[in-house]
Amino acid sequence: DAGVTQSPTHLIKTRGQQVTLRCSPKSGHDTVSWYQQALGQGPQFIFQYYEEEERQRGNFPDRFSGHQFPNYSSELNVNALLLGDSALYLCASSPLAGTYEQYFGPGTRLTVT
Amino acid sequence: AQSVTQLDSHVSVSEGTPVLLRCNYSSSYSPSLFWYVQHPNKGLQLLLKYTSAATLVKGINGFEAEFKKSETSFHLTKPSAHMSDAAEYFCVVTPDRGSTLGRLYFGRGTQLTVWP
Repeated sequence: DAGVTQSPTHLIKTRGQQVTLRCSPKSGHDTVSWYQQALGQGPQFIFQYYEEEERQRGNFPDRFSGHQFPNYSSELNVNALLLGDSALYLCASSPLAGTYEQYFGPGTRLTVT
Repeated sequence: AQSVTQLDSHVSVSEGTPVLLRCNYSSSYSPSLFWYVQHPNKGLQLLLKYTSAATLVKGINGFEAEFKKSETSFHLTKPSAHMSDAAEYFCVVTPDRGSTLGRLYFGRGTQLTVWP
């Protein structure tokens, strides 16, 4: 049984560019959450998707957007990249919205130069 | 509001000695609490969770934590450290109801170093 998978593993972008990160949830999970982990910090909640809709959002600007597909996979899009967007982006899945236990993928390391 | 304070950013122990990683939480509702571990270049792995059952929770790899409501604490312990325990540990809280149900709030992490 595959766990949560994310792609790509690493990414280097230039300021002002746009980036798309992808996540496939664990089998049987229909809820996907995204977190940003800056260097030396704990992960910060970006948003959560369930039934192809954004259900909750953390304190992130509109430059951060997402999507969930009918197969429950998800994308995180970041527009107009800033140097401060450099971080590890983690995807987590859970069996249904509101449940406590979330399973994390290995993350995508984004570097903005 | 929900928040977590990990009281130590770094903890160093010798192999075979006890481990104590401290965590205090704040929550508007009865919380669920977790400890996650993150090894270098790897994702977060759930060590253990408290969800309103027994206050002493046993996790993987010999770790356990005790939920103390009166002290709003959820400290992580292990009787004997192993070299493989060296990693970053995160205390996490989530409310059991309310508008942010299912959202995880992470502490800043405690880096555990284990000396041979």
